Amino acid sequence: EDKVVQSPLSLVVHEGDTVTLNCSYEVTNFRSLLWYKQEKKAPTFLFMLTSSGIEKKSGRLSSILDKKELFSILNITATQTGDSAVYLCAAPSGGTSYGKLTFGQGTILTVHP
Amino acid sequence: DGGITQSPKYLFRKEGQNVTLSCEQNLNHDAMYWYRQDPGQGLRLIYYSQIVNDFQKGDIAEGYSVSREKKESFPLTVTSAQKNPTAFYLCASSPLPRTFPGGGSSTEAFFGQGTRLTVV
Repeated sequence: EDKVVQSPLSLVVHEGDTVTLNCSYEVTNFRSLLWYKQEKKAPTFLFMLTSSGIEKKSGRLSSILDKKELFSILNITATQTGDSAVYLCAAPSGGTSYGKLTFGQGTILTVHP
Repeated sequence: DGGITQSPKYLFRKEGQNVTLSCEQNLNHDAMYWYRQDPGQGLRLIYYSQIVNDFQKGDIAEGYSVSREKKESFPLTVTSAQKNPTAFYLCASSPLPRTFPGGGSSTEAFFGQGTRLTVV
């Protein structure tokens, strides 16, 4: 059975701090790993990672994949209160390249002013 | 604007009643999905469809049914057989996978705003 595990489950920081969110996975026929941000309702797409060691960046967010260790991290530097959200990690599962995703439990990030 | 529209946003149901949640997309995506989210848990897949008139069960399909008569629409019915239907329901769609230079292919899912179902 495919599995995605995130840690920590929750994190409380102050504005300006840097945070690292973790995601480990066990997925047959691995194709990609995705990160989403969920603020109130719809998860919004952040990154898709397919190759080991290649960092993807978007502003203060960055992510990298380690296919040998079956691991990915999401970094957020200089956090702001607007970064408060649930961050979800997911991987396509079941041997399909479509978006049939297995999700982790999510990390609840709270950024205090 | 292109997107995925779920309705209603909030839904209340009495025990023993069937209810249908609507999901429409105008992104011309082939695949559509229904996920359920409970507090403290990630998203769990209920049903998915990769093509019109075809759909497959996900991990927690019991007590749910779907149809895919049109590419744009993928309604979910929560039946009275679902023992614990109170949850947040998310519909998603995805385009055809794209192939990467190193081989392999994948795609991401795009989500609607969700329907919060409460059984009273």
